[in-house]
Amino acid sequence: QKEVEQNSGPLSVPEGAIASLNCTYSDRVSQSFFWYRQYSGKSPELIMSIYSNGDKEDGRFTAQLNKASQYVSLLIRDSQPSDSATYLCAADFGNEKLTFGTGTRLTIIP
Amino acid sequence: ETGVTQTPRHLVMGMTNKKSLKCEQHLGHNAMYWYKQSAKKPLELMFVYSLEERVENNSVPSRFSPECPNSSHLFLHLHTLQPEDSALYLCASRPTGGYGYTFGSGTRLTVV
Repeated sequence: QKEVEQNSGPLSVPEGAIASLNCTYSDRVSQSFFWYRQYSGKSPELIMSIYSNGDKEDGRFTAQLNKASQYVSLLIRDSQPSDSATYLCAADFGNEKLTFGTGTRLTIIP
Repeated sequence: ETGVTQTPRHLVMGMTNKKSLKCEQHLGHNAMYWYKQSAKKPLELMFVYSLEERVENNSVPSRFSPECPNSSHLFLHLHTLQPEDSALYLCASRPTGGYGYTFGSGTRLTVV
């Protein structure tokens, strides 16, 4: 069974600090990885995608991929209260769909 | 709006009713999906359509019936639902090439 695993949290981070979210996956052939943000009662919103080893930066967000260790992480710098949400990690195992983790609930404390 | 439109946004239905959820995308995406998300639970994949053909039915009860008349539209027909079917129903679409999904805003369904 191909799986994506995340710590469900909650993860509490002080405002202005770096929030670090982690995700591991089970299938070495995965090529594409995604981070979604979901506010309570809303639909998931794609915030980052990463396809190759290393770091990818977009504003305050950095995605990191290590295929040898099979993990993906998302760093949020200068955390803001508006970053409080559930963050979903997803992987493409090449079977027409994305496989999602259970999500990590992040709370930014003012 | 994300480019994937779902209607209605909210739906309350009795257990004997028949209703339909609609999803529409004009992003040129080739695959469309229905997901169920219950309170404080992860996303549950229900159906996958690729190029208008159903490629996956994830052991969904027959009281949920999908329809994909063309690559831009996806429906979920509902009949004789149970209260435990109350959830947020999400439609998503995806282009070819290994990109991520675009989700619609969802339909909040309450079965009474």
